[in-house]
Amino acid sequence: QKEVEQDPGPLSVPEGAIVSLNCTYSNSAFQYFMWYRQYSRKGPELLMYTYSSGNKEDGRFTAQVDKSSKYISLFIRDSQPSDSATYLCAMMALTGGGNKLTFGTGTQLKVEL
Amino acid sequence: DGGITQSPKYLFRKEGQNVTLSCEQNLNHDAMYWYRQDPGQGLRLIYYSQIVNDFQKGDIAEGYSVSREKKESFPLTVTSAQKNPTAFYLCASSIGGAGDTQYFGPGTRLTVL
Repeated sequence: QKEVEQDPGPLSVPEGAIVSLNCTYSNSAFQYFMWYRQYSRKGPELLMYTYSSGNKEDGRFTAQVDKSSKYISLFIRDSQPSDSATYLCAMMALTGGGNKLTFGTGTQLKVEL
Repeated sequence: DGGITQSPKYLFRKEGQNVTLSCEQNLNHDAMYWYRQDPGQGLRLIYYSQIVNDFQKGDIAEGYSVSREKKESFPLTVTSAQKNPTAFYLCASSIGGAGDTQYFGPGTRLTVL
């Protein structure tokens, strides 16, 4: 079993829809949770960063972390065609060996006109 | 204009040849990382360095080597011992503090013929 599970999609939604992307994890030591957006053949760019449980909002994006359920979500409101990309969740535990990120496999999202 | 640069964007090599991928950052970050991305597998950590002249193996270091002689540079050599080198290689950097975020370069697509 992978430490981080993420549905690969593809997920196709109409423009303006609310999108929900999710990851589950098994390592209870994870304390830092991130969402990256990756366009085709480009490097990932950081979208959201959350420490421990709770919600964080930034414009059309909301990140939620539920540590008790080991479940994180990214919501995109009023989705746009420019949101079409692969979304990667990533998690980090504090260890003596540096800040190592563990990634999900990514969910491919397509927002259609 | 601060950021992370990787060169070249595309690289083709014959089987059995060593190849070095470049990664440079002008963000004054202490930590640097190399990841490999394959379809359906997410990002996997190859090597990381928390400080100049020091580096540690990641999860899939076999067949790779790195050096960290300067703070700004963290080149990755893909050796002939790497059994399946064709992949998208991503370099990242971070400040180096606990739980800090990693920022990615644009990536290098390596194809071994």
